[in-house]
Amino acid sequence: AQSVTQLDSQVPVFEEAPVELRCNYSSSVSVYLFWYVQYPNQGLQLLLKYLSGSTLVKGINGFEAEFNKSQTSFHLRKPSVHISDTAEYFCAALPRGGSNYKLTFGKGTLLTVNP
Amino acid sequence: DADVTQTPRNRITKTGKRIMLECSQTKGHDRMYWYRQDPGLGLRLIYYSFDVKDINKGEISDGYSVSRQAQAKFSLSLESAIPNQTALYFCATSDRAGYTFGSGTRLTVV
Repeated sequence: AQSVTQLDSQVPVFEEAPVELRCNYSSSVSVYLFWYVQYPNQGLQLLLKYLSGSTLVKGINGFEAEFNKSQTSFHLRKPSVHISDTAEYFCAALPRGGSNYKLTFGKGTLLTVNP
Repeated sequence: DADVTQTPRNRITKTGKRIMLECSQTKGHDRMYWYRQDPGLGLRLIYYSFDVKDINKGEISDGYSVSRQAQAKFSLSLESAIPNQTALYFCATSDRAGYTFGSGTRLTVV
């Protein structure tokens, strides 16, 4: 089984400031890691994913995340945010291989970008 | 057309009523899922199906049932709706490349 912890439920920032949304995971097996974004009144959109290879993953809209195996973390970063980045962000983990093919989500981080 | 289509998009129903949420996908995937989203709780898995004959309970299946009518169709039923089932419901399908989510059904039980 795996669990995902998003360390901040809300993150308010000013426009053009950098932001980091923190995610830690726990799993008895290796996992794939994902970040999803949910804009107000919309569904889930994949931002980026880590499957293997380089630990720095680049996604859409200027976001990137770094996989750190020793710290079991997968933090999401953006160097300069826009008002339009205001949304809820979800970190998720998926076991590699086997038959346990279920995505586990964190509880979400609400990013609010203020002018 | 969307890869995963959920109907209805919004629904208000009364306590005790039976309601069905429908999901269809055009991805051709065997695996389908129903999640529930509540503020501050993220998405929690209700039921999942790895093929038409394989249906499994997730972490919060009480009060819900599902039917996998075909590879492309996976419906969620609330036999007797209660107010704490008010939530945003997502259907998803997956393969090894990842998950695809529907746009969600916002259900309100009054």
